[in-house]
Amino acid sequence: EVQLVESGGGLVQPGASLKLSCVASGFTFSDYWMSWVRQTPGKTMEWIGDIKYDGSYTNYAPSLKNRFTISRDNAKSTLYLQMSNVRSEDTATYYCTPGVADYWGQGVMVTVSS
Amino acid sequence: NTVMTQSPTSMFTSVGDRVTMSCKASQNVGINVGWYQQKTGQSPKRLIYWASNRDTGVPDRFTGSGSGTDFTLTISNMQAEDPAIYYCLQHNSYPLTFGSGTKLEIK
Repeated sequence: EVQLVESGGGLVQPGASLKLSCVASGFTFSDYWMSWVRQTPGKTMEWIGDIKYDGSYTNYAPSLKNRFTISRDNAKSTLYLQMSNVRSEDTATYYCTPGVADYWGQGVMVTVSS
Repeated sequence: NTVMTQSPTSMFTSVGDRVTMSCKASQNVGINVGWYQQKTGQSPKRLIYWASNRDTGVPDRFTGSGSGTDFTLTISNMQAEDPAIYYCLQHNSYPLTFGSGTKLEIK
């Protein structure tokens, strides 16, 4: 059974940095491109970016590429999202997904507020 | 960016009805479209991949169709467990983009 467990969210102040993690199991993590997707409180879905199975290549949504960085540790079956200089509009639930959003975890909430 | 326009935004239906919702792409995306169901309080779940392929375990009342710029998700026999927000996603070109969703409710 595929499991994706996101963590690292919470309440953060504007301008701060935050690193989310996603531990994957139930599939061969190192065989899959992995993506981060977020959903705003208003239910808008936004693709953040993805990373190649070996970590050698990443793609990002143009509006986020200067502040967000995706990385992975295949030995730990873990995907990361480093968020910097966060803004109120980054408030959302963040999901990691394998492939093309094949499966979804429970997500992790990030609230940006002073 | 490829814009995915879903319609209607919301709809009410009755158990047993046939439901059809649309997703239109601003440019040709081939069959690189998926459909997702998100029930209240839950994470999204993929129902359809490559425009018309049903995921394992998805009831056959869910059917995806289309190619190019016009895509449709049909529920042939609405059930009480089907109210949800349904999203389409194109993965033909970066950045991947979602539609804004169709909220399906029971009358």
